[in-house]
Amino acid sequence: GENVEQHPSTLSVQEGDSAVIKCTYSDSASNYFPWYKQELGKGPQLIIDIRSNVGEKKDQRIAVTLNKTAKHFSLHITETQPEDSAVYFCAASVASGGSYIPTFGRGTSLIVHP
Amino acid sequence: KAGVTQTPRYLIKTRGQQVTLSCSPISGHRSVSWYQQTPGQGLQFLFEYFSETQRNKGNFPGRFSGRQFSNSRSEMNVSTLELGDSALYLCASSLAPGQGYEQYFGPGTRLTVT
Repeated sequence: GENVEQHPSTLSVQEGDSAVIKCTYSDSASNYFPWYKQELGKGPQLIIDIRSNVGEKKDQRIAVTLNKTAKHFSLHITETQPEDSAVYFCAASVASGGSYIPTFGRGTSLIVHP
Repeated sequence: KAGVTQTPRYLIKTRGQQVTLSCSPISGHRSVSWYQQTPGQGLQFLFEYFSETQRNKGNFPGRFSGRQFSNSRSEMNVSTLELGDSALYLCASSLAPGQGYEQYFGPGTRLTVT
């Protein structure tokens, strides 16, 4: 089955700095890669996603890049703010009967210091 | 529009007992998925329901089961509880199955097995 590795497990940055979280996956059939943000006491929230036919996607301060050949994808957050502090999860998904079955990375705890 | 609601939010059970967790999806959403989140294993897919049918199941023992009702509400049941079943159980809903539909997560039910 799919295996997703996520690094680093903890990332501490100063407000205004950039943050980069990296994930690798094992199944070349994976074709959908969402990123989730989970705040304390809440469920994960989708923040950005990318499909395998796209190399990069940007949404304001957040961007995701995908390298299908190397089987890795990354989340980039620019101009970090204290409210960006949360746990971030990457996922890789293989289509299964028209459904969405994600395999998640272990999460990155992002701490943004004011 | 109300979000995904899960009841109860917290639950303490004894080893060997059984438990039923409930999930009410966002109005209009017909697909419901369940996930288990633990510090040791991370976020793992349990099962997915659409139109009262289980479409996919993750790699969990038969003690984990679920169902979906005609109003799209879903329940999951865990029988013969083990200490390792202690986890945050998350429910997510979407308009329909598939990668084209964003999943919205509920806050989860925190299950503690003693």
